[in-house]
Amino acid sequence: ETGVTQTPRHLVMGMTNKKSLKCEQHLGHNAMYWYKQSAKKPLELMFVYSLEERVENNSVPSRFSPECPNSSHLFLHLHTLQPEDSALYLCASSQDGLGGVGNTIYFGEGSWLTVV
Amino acid sequence: QKEVEQDPGPLSVPEGAIVSLNCTYSNSAFQYFMWYRQYSRKGPELLMYTYSSGNKEDGRFTAQVDKSSKYISLFIRDSQPSDSATYLCAMSSTTSGTYKYIFGTGTRLKVLA
Repeated sequence: ETGVTQTPRHLVMGMTNKKSLKCEQHLGHNAMYWYKQSAKKPLELMFVYSLEERVENNSVPSRFSPECPNSSHLFLHLHTLQPEDSALYLCASSQDGLGGVGNTIYFGEGSWLTVV
Repeated sequence: QKEVEQDPGPLSVPEGAIVSLNCTYSNSAFQYFMWYRQYSRKGPELLMYTYSSGNKEDGRFTAQVDKSSKYISLFIRDSQPSDSATYLCAMSSTTSGTYKYIFGTGTRLKVLA
């Protein structure tokens, strides 16, 4: 049981579908993140929210749309995805977004996305 | 040059062996170093974190940082089959801008019973 929970754990969607990934953190943190993990590649930072405000959008295509309604919840809305978007999508949180001591980043279990 | 280099493995060792996992990095501003363990089809789980050069021990795990060489290591003593996983190094800096966590590609470890 982690302090960051993600749903769904597995998702298969067609290229014309619209779906959403949900993340909730129970750690009282102020920063939340979406990462993409593909085989044999380092974790790719997608979005960062600090106190519900988006502070980084790492050149992510507009078919990925994040939403952070409060500091405990984070969504990733998906529409018209491509097969190459198939990957493990990881939500994470940290005390704040400053990096360094005391700002260790904690991950959820991930959502496995397959685009067909 | 990548900011963080990590040998992807796989690394296969017999049960009970001492395992050494390593990362090198190029940015001397990195100050905070983390190791994560990731089991197949699961999210990364924080194992250890260190700040500054030196060693930090936690049970069978020892994290070592050598800032002068820009080199970090994770040692696992008395390795067990349950240690079979991918190990990711990560590092961050408070001076190079906010939100900057850089991850290695991960080393896949197999401990054979």
